[in-house]
Amino acid sequence: QVQVVQSGAEVKKPGASVKVSCKVSGYNFNNFGIGWVRQAPGQGLEWLGWINSYNGNTNYAQKFQGRVTMTTDTSTTTVYMELSSLRFDDTAVYYCARAHAAWGPGDYWGQGTLVTVSS
Amino acid sequence: QSVLTQPPSVSGAPGQRVTISCTGSRSNIGAGYDVHWYQQLPGTAPKLLIYSNGIRPSGVPDRFSGSKSGPSASLAITGLQAEDEADYHCQSYDRSLSAWVFGGGTKVTVL
Repeated sequence: QVQVVQSGAEVKKPGASVKVSCKVSGYNFNNFGIGWVRQAPGQGLEWLGWINSYNGNTNYAQKFQGRVTMTTDTSTTTVYMELSSLRFDDTAVYYCARAHAAWGPGDYWGQGTLVTVSS
Repeated sequence: QSVLTQPPSVSGAPGQRVTISCTGSRSNIGAGYDVHWYQQLPGTAPKLLIYSNGIRPSGVPDRFSGSKSGPSASLAITGLQAEDEADYHCQSYDRSLSAWVFGGGTKVTVL
């Protein structure tokens, strides 16, 4: 069965970086990409980007260009999302979701990782 | 400000039918991109409920149905049940932004 498991909660200071991991199993890693979506407290869903697990090609949301980096480790079937220059309004739950194509949908989601930016 | 527009809330009595609209534009839904719907129970991750406008993944009850027409889509829940209380999000792809775009989410309350 498909499993998507994310790393634990993080607390970071403004200006720092955070790296969230997303370990997947139960399917052929190279056949599906991973999308990243965040949800600020009480807010809707916001897309950060998508990475092709086969070749590492990425598609980032314009809003996060220059601040977000997505990478894969095929040996451990893990995908990483690093967000730099953190601001208070980056506080959110970050989700990864398996997505066959760059345009979605996300069919299996991780449990979410709470990232809190606090001084 | 979400790219796709959903009503903030809808409500209905058990057994009733409710619908949630999702309105986009010529650069996303109106351009022919599929619409997907997610159900998010309180305190949990979103779950894919409907994909490609009207297809239910395995295990999703047939009380849930989706449709699309022009730049809009809708999700219908028939025979509303208490366990359907959740937030529902629509999602599509926007060719101008080259991005997944979401609606702001709709909270469904079972009276």
